[in-house]
Amino acid sequence: GAVVSQHPSWVICKSGTSVKIECRSLDFQATTMFWYRQFPKQSLMLMATSNEGSKATYEQGVEKDKFLINHASLTLSTLTVTSAHPEDSSFYICSAPRPGRAKYNEQFFGPGTRLTVL
Amino acid sequence: GENVEQHPSTLSVQEGDSAVIKCTYSDSASNYFPWYKQELGKRPQLIIDIRSNVGEKKDQRIAVTLNKTAKHFSLHITETQPEDSAVYFCAASTGAGNMLTFGGGTRLMVKP
Repeated sequence: GAVVSQHPSWVICKSGTSVKIECRSLDFQATTMFWYRQFPKQSLMLMATSNEGSKATYEQGVEKDKFLINHASLTLSTLTVTSAHPEDSSFYICSAPRPGRAKYNEQFFGPGTRLTVL
Repeated sequence: GENVEQHPSTLSVQEGDSAVIKCTYSDSASNYFPWYKQELGKRPQLIIDIRSNVGEKKDQRIAVTLNKTAKHFSLHITETQPEDSAVYFCAASTGAGNMLTFGGGTRLMVKP
């Protein structure tokens, strides 16, 4: 199957600092990628849709100035959590749909990044 | 927007028994319904999916049924095994490449 990677897999940072998370599609091109946030024992909540070459689309309640998304190439999207605070501690997962396959709706998830803000 | 409800939130079964998880959705435009299994700290893994032009799909011990009229779909796991223990999520999407809206999840525990 298609492979989506994320880096780093986990990160611990101090309150007030910024953290960048990378999401890469390794064997296909992704014009769209999705960023989800998952708090402990909760479901995946869509934060934003990352579009290659254009601005990201944010879900209601997600601050675009706090969660900066850049989709500069067809294989890489980055999420930067700016001025992180303890309440931003969560599991961040990206996904990308792979076009041109029989199961074209299938999305491939990255392994996730666990962010802990002290 | 789409709203997906999932029940039950926890489910405990004896090994060998069947497990059923149910989801309802609100957007009649949704046409793709995947089910994911997620183990602690891992990514969701697709276990089965169904498109709106099909009423039922089966893959070994796993089956999914879809009732478009009632806007609900269900996951059926037969002959459960301890390794089936995980959190299961249903989701809905309106089409190719579109975002997924997830249900709240079901924690399945299979007791040996």
